[in-house]
Amino acid sequence: DGGITQSPKYLFRKEGQNVTLSCEQNLNHDAMYWYRQDPGQGLRLIYYSQIVNDFQKGDIAEGYSVSREKKESFPLTVTSAQKNPTAFYLCASRWGAASGANVLTFGAGSRLTVL
Amino acid sequence: SQQGEEDPQALSIQEGENATMNCSYKTSINNLQWYRQNSGRGLVHLILIRSNEREKHSGRLRVTLDTSKKSSSLLITASRAADTASYFCATTLIQGAQKLVFGQGTRLTINP
Repeated sequence: DGGITQSPKYLFRKEGQNVTLSCEQNLNHDAMYWYRQDPGQGLRLIYYSQIVNDFQKGDIAEGYSVSREKKESFPLTVTSAQKNPTAFYLCASRWGAASGANVLTFGAGSRLTVL
Repeated sequence: SQQGEEDPQALSIQEGENATMNCSYKTSINNLQWYRQNSGRGLVHLILIRSNEREKHSGRLRVTLDTSKKSSSLLITASRAADTASYFCATTLIQGAQKLVFGQGTRLTINP
């Protein structure tokens, strides 16, 4: 079945540690996105990538880093510079070029908790 | 930055009743979408309405768009307990078409 796989589903981190969240898609989608969701809030865009080896900052990129070495994969690293990293992280992907419908397919999310 | 604001933040109704959620936005859009999120899960796309459309239907869903008022509404008819979820509107701005900007969401509870 085609879809987006995020791992791990739950992750605990000590302060000062970097952690990497995995996002893999087998939909052959061109663009991939990372969003952050806080309790009772909407989604805020962290980073997005339209093609391999290229990515752009979203609205809240500080303290995060990404890479896009393969079309299928878009891992997110939450660095120690992110002061309030406890949140639910959602990865999404979109097929096709910039124009046209911008419909996203989402993964099931990763919940990060800082101890 | 949050483009969309949804109203109400929470809605609780009886099974079988209709549920209406509203979304307002600030800048000109290319299209507007509605997504559903079950608790602790990812979002699922429900319906997309383009800026030149005024109304769209999909099963028990009816979406309207009023670009002059910069607002949209999502109507779920004959609600079921399984409709309990959070519903988000998302806009694609005319400039910056790569990004989808989400509202805060409406938490809908359907009571059996």
